[in-house]
Amino acid sequence: DAGVTQSPTHLIKTRGQHVTLRCSPISGHKSVSWYQQVLGQGPQFIFQYYEKEERGRGNFPDRFSARQFPNYSSELNVNALLLGDSALYLCASSWRTSGSSVGELFFGEGSRLTVL
Amino acid sequence: SQELEQSPQSLIVQEGKNLTINCTSSKTLYGLYWYKQKYGEGLIFLMMLQKGGEEKSHEKITAKLDEKKQQSSLHITASQPSHAGIYLCGADRSPGNQFYFGTGTSLTVIP
Repeated sequence: DAGVTQSPTHLIKTRGQHVTLRCSPISGHKSVSWYQQVLGQGPQFIFQYYEKEERGRGNFPDRFSARQFPNYSSELNVNALLLGDSALYLCASSWRTSGSSVGELFFGEGSRLTVL
Repeated sequence: SQELEQSPQSLIVQEGKNLTINCTSSKTLYGLYWYKQKYGEGLIFLMMLQKGGEEKSHEKITAKLDEKKQQSSLHITASQPSHAGIYLCGADRSPGNQFYFGTGTSLTVIP
């Protein structure tokens, strides 16, 4: 069975541009979450989606947005890119149901964004 | 500021040595998770602890959650080069909505 897949794996953008990152969860997983990992730091929570609804949001500006589709795949969008947005963006899926513990998160390999 | 503090920040050990990584929270933890990350890659789930005093082992790695559920330790026995990577603890802030990670511990094992 395929694990969590993310695309693209690497991308380079310039300041002010927009980026869309994509994530396909493990089959049967209805919860998807997004994390930003800056070099040398632990991942920072951005969003969590369950059954196509936003269930949690981290401390990120409105330039960051996401959505989950009927097939449970997800997109993370970042507008007006800043140099500080350069990071590894990780997607994770889980069996989590509403109100329950997160449980084991299954991570993709990430999308490495470089903003010049 | 980070709600989960890990120590040490980095660790270099000789192959075969034992080591311990600590994860401390200022709040009671609902669930405590340990993950391993190879440099620049995704995270691999190691263990989940939910009950105070709980201890779990997998191969040469043992994790414990203290009785007050505010600190966890990860112990590696007879370290090997394959253990090298970044170890991250993670926790639920409350049932479900947000998951956050510790500061990370970088482990290097010298053959």
